[in-house]
Amino acid sequence: GAVVSQHPSWVICKSGTSVKIECRSLDFQATTMFWYRQFPKQSLMLMATSNEGSKATYEQGVEKDKFLINHASLTLSTLTVTSAHPEDSSFYICSARSVDKSYNSPLHFGNGTRLTVT
Amino acid sequence: DQQVKQNSPSLSVQEGRISILNCDYTNSMFDYFLWYKKYPAEGPTFLISISSIKDKNEDGRFTVFLNKSAKHLSLHIVPSQPGDSAVYFCAASTQGGSEKLVFGKGTKLTVNP
Repeated sequence: GAVVSQHPSWVICKSGTSVKIECRSLDFQATTMFWYRQFPKQSLMLMATSNEGSKATYEQGVEKDKFLINHASLTLSTLTVTSAHPEDSSFYICSARSVDKSYNSPLHFGNGTRLTVT
Repeated sequence: DQQVKQNSPSLSVQEGRISILNCDYTNSMFDYFLWYKKYPAEGPTFLISISSIKDKNEDGRFTVFLNKSAKHLSLHIVPSQPGDSAVYFCAASTQGGSEKLVFGKGTKLTVNP
């Protein structure tokens, strides 16, 4: 089945620093990847849609200058949390959709990244 | 305003019995619904889905029922097993399920041996 790999699985950083999270589709090509965030006991909230070769589309209320998204290839999207603050501490999850239209499958998710900002 | 609602934060059942997880939605444009299972510190794993043109979809022990008029869907797990213990998320999409999803808050299922 489709595999989405996310790295790192957890990271602790100091306030004011930047953190990069990678999302890779391992056995399929993904023109579109999605970045979600989950706070404790809350639902997964879509942050942005990452499109290969073009600018990401951000959901309302998500700061694009703070959460930089790059989708440089059909198998890799990165999310960089810039100038992280403690309130950015959360669980970040990516998902991907295959470029193959005959690949009749729902979105597949990575295992997530637990970010803790101290 | 939450478009997908899972009103029960938790559910506890005995092994071998049926687990019924419920989900309500408000957006009538949703045309595809999915259930995901999630363990702590892991990403969601797809379980089962249903298109709005159907009212039932079955896959092994898992069955999803959709009542469009009531804007309600449910996931039935029978028989329930201890390994089913996890958080179950209901999700909906307006674009066939492969585009962005709107999630409920999840229901934590505990299956007791």
